[in-house]
Amino acid sequence: AQTVTQSQPEMSVQEAETVTLSCTYDTSESDYYLFWYKQPPSRQMILVIRQEAYKQQNATENRFSVNFQKAAKSFSLKISDSQLGDAAMYFCAYRSTGGTSYGKLTFGQGTILTVHP
Amino acid sequence: GAVVSQHPSRVICKSGTSVKIECRSLDFQATTMFWYRQFPKQSLMLMATSNEGSKATYEQGVEKDKFLINHASLTLSTLTVTSAHPEDSSFYICSAREIPDHYEQYFGPGTRLTVT
Repeated sequence: AQTVTQSQPEMSVQEAETVTLSCTYDTSESDYYLFWYKQPPSRQMILVIRQEAYKQQNATENRFSVNFQKAAKSFSLKISDSQLGDAAMYFCAYRSTGGTSYGKLTFGQGTILTVHP
Repeated sequence: GAVVSQHPSRVICKSGTSVKIECRSLDFQATTMFWYRQFPKQSLMLMATSNEGSKATYEQGVEKDKFLINHASLTLSTLTVTSAHPEDSSFYICSAREIPDHYEQYFGPGTRLTVT
């Protein structure tokens, strides 16, 4: 079974600064997807960014980018120019592309991000 | 596009009663929907996978007789918490995977269940 670990329960950042959230995972699969989700106080899960394992290029979405290290099984999220609206709980998630776990998401424990004005 | 709704958003019920939560994909068809449970400041725990027209697949440790899942159409899945107890109080979230599969899950806004 796959596992996802977020070792930072809480992080904080000053507005306009950059912060990096860590995520590691364990899998024996070679093909999979990785995601970062944001859960604001409303509790609605919002997709921030996704990465296909077969792609070497790191995904980028505006101020959000990832550092995907497949060999190290690491998938960190960098938020640049942090904004107050970025404050939320962030979850790293793994998705299988085959086998009995096809389609299921495995979530990390989450990181609560606080943004200070 | 890709909107998932849940109803109700909040529900309070008495211990021993049953409560039904609906999950709908509003603008796409979903053969597969997922049900999660989340406690405050914790991660999402997958409870079951709901497949249209077939029985749900439950994760280990989830009581299938207590959490009844029905996926009667390509846009609707329901979760019924039977004989609810205070320990069932939680935030329940559904997600849906569209046809064809674009490797994303679309999440509903969640339902807060309080059992008194």
